[in-house]
Amino acid sequence: EAGVTQFPSHSVIEKGQTVTLRCDPISGHDNLYWYRRVMGKEIKFLLHFVKESKQDESGMPNNRFLAERTGGTYSTLKVQPAELEDSGVYFCASSRQGVEEKLFFGSGTQLSVL
Amino acid sequence: SQQGEEDPQALSIQEGENATMNCSYKTSINNLQWYRQNSGRGLVHLILIRSNEREKHSGRLRVTLDTSKKSSSLLITASRAADTASYFCATAVFTGANSKLTFGKGITLSVRP
Repeated sequence: EAGVTQFPSHSVIEKGQTVTLRCDPISGHDNLYWYRRVMGKEIKFLLHFVKESKQDESGMPNNRFLAERTGGTYSTLKVQPAELEDSGVYFCASSRQGVEEKLFFGSGTQLSVL
Repeated sequence: SQQGEEDPQALSIQEGENATMNCSYKTSINNLQWYRQNSGRGLVHLILIRSNEREKHSGRLRVTLDTSKKSSSLLITASRAADTASYFCATAVFTGANSKLTFGKGITLSVRP
């Protein structure tokens, strides 16, 4: 079974530019989560999809962040325009039954905004 | 807001020793999960313990949960250099649409060969 795939693994952009991160969950996993870890801080929840619907986006920092999951398969997280404080590692995770069971995580995207 | 808080923040031990890591949380939970992250990699699930369970074992891992104290501990016995990683506890609260895992800052474990 293929795991959760994220790309790119690294992205270096300048302040004001746009970046789109992609996550391919494990096939059949309806639940998809985005998390972010800023250096030295906790892994913070961003949002949760169930199939193509946003179930909870309470963790999204502001309207510069836009997440989509068209067709309920892969998901994208776009940051536009990027700011310095957006730097961090963005993780995607998926599961069949939400947080009643373990989440499967991707390797993350290291985003650096200069 | 941060739910799980791990203690200590960093731990350095000799190979073969046991490593004990603690996690405290603030609100009632449905389950608590421990994850490991090796440098540059994603999080790997280690063990899940439900709120009605007190102890679980998986190989060299032993997890306890004390809901009255709102705390959990992860014990790694006979540690190996390969156990060097960051360890996170995460709490799950089932609130219907807003069910999610909330993580702490993590514990950096270094196992010296």
